[in-house]
Amino acid sequence: EDQVTQSPEALRLQEGESSSLNCSYTVSGLRGLFWYRQDPGKGPEFLFTLYSAGEEKEKERLKATLTKKESFLHITAPKPEDSATYLCAVQAANTPLVFGKGTRLSVIA
Amino acid sequence: DVKVTQSSRYLVKRTGEKVFLECVQDMDHENMFWYRQDPGLGLRLIYFSYDVKMKEKGDIPEGYSVSREKKERFSLILESASTNQTSMYLCASRSVGHYEQYFGPGTRLTVT
Repeated sequence: EDQVTQSPEALRLQEGESSSLNCSYTVSGLRGLFWYRQDPGKGPEFLFTLYSAGEEKEKERLKATLTKKESFLHITAPKPEDSATYLCAVQAANTPLVFGKGTRLSVIA
Repeated sequence: DVKVTQSSRYLVKRTGEKVFLECVQDMDHENMFWYRQDPGLGLRLIYFSYDVKMKEKGDIPEGYSVSREKKERFSLILESASTNQTSMYLCASRSVGHYEQYFGPGTRLTVT
């Protein structure tokens, strides 16, 4: 069974304090790993797709990386506006997208 | 930009009512999805559709049905709403050949 586990469940950072969120997965035949940002009461916003081990994607203060077993979302010098829940999801062949339960990030000024 | 819209942001219904949630996407996407999201349970797939008039059950289809008469529109129907269907409902779409899904703003449904 395909599984996605995100850690930590919640993370509190001071503004400027860099850190990483983890997404561990077990899936047969990975077709893609996705990161989303979700603000309270809103739908998830697509951030990145990673397709193969070694791939990296960047957007502003966010950088996503992928290995054969896990993905990291690195947040460099975060700002309060980066506070949100970050969701990871994996797509295997011929199965629906499987989501993790998310990491709730709070960045304190 | 991909635009997925949902008919209501907030909805309050009574137990036993028939509820329609509508989703429209403007990017000519073939595939559309309905999820519900609850604290501690994450996103769970209710139904999806690969094309017009096609539908497939997801992980938790009980108590729900769907309709896809036009490519851009995917409706979720609660035949007889119950309090355990109080939740955030999210619609998503994607294009064939691409795996990333794009989500609407969500509908917060409360059943009393």
